[in-house]
Amino acid sequence: NAGVTQTPKFQVLKTGQSMTLQCAQDMNHEYMSWYRQDPGMGLRLIHYSVGAGITDQGEVPNGYNVSRSTTEDFPLRLLSAAPSQTSVYFCASRTSWTGYQETQYFGPGTRLLVL
Amino acid sequence: DQQVKQNSPSLSVQEGRISILNCDYTNSMFDYFLWYKKYPAEGPTFLISISSIKDKNEDGRFTVFLNKSAKHLSLHIVPSQPGDSAVYFCAASEGPSGTYKYIFGTGTRLKVLA
Repeated sequence: NAGVTQTPKFQVLKTGQSMTLQCAQDMNHEYMSWYRQDPGMGLRLIHYSVGAGITDQGEVPNGYNVSRSTTEDFPLRLLSAAPSQTSVYFCASRTSWTGYQETQYFGPGTRLLVL
Repeated sequence: DQQVKQNSPSLSVQEGRISILNCDYTNSMFDYFLWYKKYPAEGPTFLISISSIKDKNEDGRFTVFLNKSAKHLSLHIVPSQPGDSAVYFCAASEGPSGTYKYIFGTGTRLKVLA
């Protein structure tokens, strides 16, 4: 199992450019999420999905778009990059509720710099 | 409005001593709490968790304590080792109805001195 994979590892964008951060998991997890990590702000939830075709907004969704056409993939799209979106982005996946047992796994992250 | 707070950005502890990391929350609907550990350039990894029906959970050197009345949880690491040096995040969830929404704190950077 590769677990949760993210590409690219690092990306530099100019203000106004668009791009897609890729996330894939091979554990057949229903739930997938995108977080961003900023200094002093911790991990903040951007968007999440509870299954193929179902997505919803997290704490900081503005400027980002997601879709979930398959169980395995959950791409995050930046529509028009802004310097405020400079951050480290983490994708995570987990199983559905099985009691109070943690099953969430994070990917290695994508470091994004917007100039 | 920060629902999960880690008020200590950093902590230094001597090897072999106890490390205590603290976390406070404001949402009384949270009923599942977790600690994650993060090394530089890696994704967070799960460390230990506790549900609101318990006040303590142990896993080897790691123990999490939950004080529901104070809306406070803490992570104890005994004995601390240099490999424990990392950023620790606490997270909280509302349980079955909100299991896909973990709210994270801002993290505490632990440095264990050899």
